[in-house]
Amino acid sequence: DAKTTQPTSMDCAEGRAANLPCNHSTISGNEYVYWYRQIHSQGPQYIIHGLKNNETNEMASLIITEDRKSSTLILPHATLRDTAVYYCIVRVYGGANNLFFGTGTRLTVIP
Amino acid sequence: NAGVTQTPKFQVLKTGQSMTLQCAQDMNHEYMSWYRQDPGMGLRLIHYSVGAGITDQGEVPNGYNVSRSTTEDFPLRLLSAAPSQTSVYFCASSYDRTLSSGNTIYFGEGSWLTVV
Repeated sequence: DAKTTQPTSMDCAEGRAANLPCNHSTISGNEYVYWYRQIHSQGPQYIIHGLKNNETNEMASLIITEDRKSSTLILPHATLRDTAVYYCIVRVYGGANNLFFGTGTRLTVIP
Repeated sequence: NAGVTQTPKFQVLKTGQSMTLQCAQDMNHEYMSWYRQDPGMGLRLIHYSVGAGITDQGEVPNGYNVSRSTTEDFPLRLLSAAPSQTSVYFCASSYDRTLSSGNTIYFGEGSWLTVV
């Protein structure tokens, strides 16, 4: 699976949009971009995933660049409950259902 | 529907002792796995299973054994505990054996293990 690079930490004001970047410059055509988050040592929680089109669900939006070498997770109106570590993971379609986590981005939402 | 259930939640072991972390899911999921998470790091895959009777190693399998005699259960055994195995352990499951577009992996709440 392609390696990803994320900033170590970010802050965001409560109520503002949180934009979390991820670089995956070696991604291949059959690899999806997945985002998970982990709130205070709980089990990781699925957020969203995409292949090449932008995606939106009730939790977030995912913007993938046209060359697919980077993506941005957007939490449109961050709340204090969104404080967590966010992981960007590239996964192979049809590959084993295993996750390979990096160190992620620690997002702190500030009141 | 209880999801993924792990027991115990907390455990302290002495070096050299053995123990089993239990994981059960009631969603009829084929895929189950175990991860460990050390402070400040992401989760690392220990072992996984794509169905009853089938197991395979992940990134960090040494010191651990698994078996999958039923679809529901996937216990993780520490053969001879070492301080380096002090960690938080997460069990996970999903319906599909392999990644398909809409697939979601469900995690348990974690088991905190300290080896002294």
